[in-house]
Amino acid sequence: EIVLTQSPGTLSLSPGERATLSCRASSSAYVGWYQQKPGQAPRLLIYGVSNRATGIPDRFSGSGSGTDFTLTITRLEPEDFAVYYCQQYGDSLITFGQGTRLEMK
Amino acid sequence: QVQLVESGGGLVKPGGSVRLSCAASGFPFSDFYMSWVRQAPGKGLEWISYISSRGTTEYYADSVRGRFTISRDNAQNSLFLQMDNLRADDTAIYYCARDQSVVGDFDYWGQGILVTVSS
Repeated sequence: EIVLTQSPGTLSLSPGERATLSCRASSSAYVGWYQQKPGQAPRLLIYGVSNRATGIPDRFSGSGSGTDFTLTITRLEPEDFAVYYCQQYGDSLITFGQGTRLEMK
Repeated sequence: QVQLVESGGGLVKPGGSVRLSCAASGFPFSDFYMSWVRQAPGKGLEWISYISSRGTTEYYADSVRGRFTISRDNAQNSLFLQMDNLRADDTAIYYCARDQSVVGDFDYWGQGILVTVSS
């Protein structure tokens, strides 16, 4: 089973700033990113490392390769403060990282 | 529009069983892999099972293998999760999710249904 480790656990930033969230896999992975707000289902942001899902603003971008992946949010908007999860598919199993909480400073 | 609506949750005793359903609409259900993902109170997301579009292939997380069974009825546009031998740590919100690409890209999710395992 591929283990995903996200960092930091919590990120405190202000609207307009840039957010950089990291996800490290225990072995080579195919990674996506999700956003979850309180009381809501998760929303797919990025799939296949760097592809934005339908309707996702271009301030969200994904990058990385091998075992190290990054979700970048340029110019944070108030609605971007949420929990973010990376997720991988490998060997017919799917795992999620433990999440990064992006909070407003 | 795409809709996924879960039902069947509630309070169940340890060792008991419950069957969750997910009614799909707004897309060709039989063309898509589907999954169940759960979230314990205040915790992160945990994928637990997926099923292929025709229902011929199933995979499970170690935490539920042998106790949970995923199935689907493509004629009824429905996904199911039979949960047996339930434990307290199965308490969670259970989401059904559509896989847009067969590799775990969950582009649509239901609203979730709470299952509470307690005596």
